[in-house]
Amino acid sequence: DAMVIQNPRYQVTQFGKPVTLSCSQTLNHNVMYWYQQKSSQAPKLLFHYYDKDFNNEADTPDNFQSRRPNTSFCFLDIRSPGLGDAAMYLCATSRPLTHNTDTQYFGPGTRLTVL
Amino acid sequence: AQSVTQPDIHITVSEGASLELRCNYSYGATPYLFWYVQSPGQGLQLLLKYFSGDTLVQGIKGFEAEFKRSQSSFNLRKPSVHWSDAAEYFCAVGLIQGAQKLVFGQGTRLTINP
Repeated sequence: DAMVIQNPRYQVTQFGKPVTLSCSQTLNHNVMYWYQQKSSQAPKLLFHYYDKDFNNEADTPDNFQSRRPNTSFCFLDIRSPGLGDAAMYLCATSRPLTHNTDTQYFGPGTRLTVL
Repeated sequence: AQSVTQPDIHITVSEGASLELRCNYSYGATPYLFWYVQSPGQGLQLLLKYFSGDTLVQGIKGFEAEFKRSQSSFNLRKPSVHWSDAAEYFCAVGLIQGAQKLVFGQGTRLTINP
């Protein structure tokens, strides 16, 4: 009965080779988020989707893109991974503002290694 | 700008001892506050949250936290820790801007001595 699923759990890519991380949810939540968490650091929000509306954080590099083809799925694309992009990438979901007493539900994360 | 400070990077306590993890926030309005726990290589699990009302909040796994507006604090407590509580703990403030955006503190790593 997993609610937020991330695939793969571990991803290895080469410097400069595009990579896509996947997130799916069974909660039917309107909002999906992507966070980057580097080693021994706090998660940092990259962007989120509110339904089909994409909201980028001001300091998210252009190298990071996202797609949400439907309510259940959201993808994180890293166009040209650098060594500094090695991190845990966390997907989360939530209900929107009208349910602001709700919380975010996190997936287990995908650990990205860049060689 | 909104921010969260967790002053203690690493804390070690003995099994059965009490625990308090500190969290201070900076936010202009009434904050939505959260504590999450993260085991190694895993995602984040919500321990408890505060939105309004009673300032002492009960969570899962025997944890509680107290919101103190005058001190801008939201400290996490547990009366008696178990070895399975060893993990990273993150305090976060939630910004409600259409979606619910979380700003996390740096985290406190908890080690339990047998």
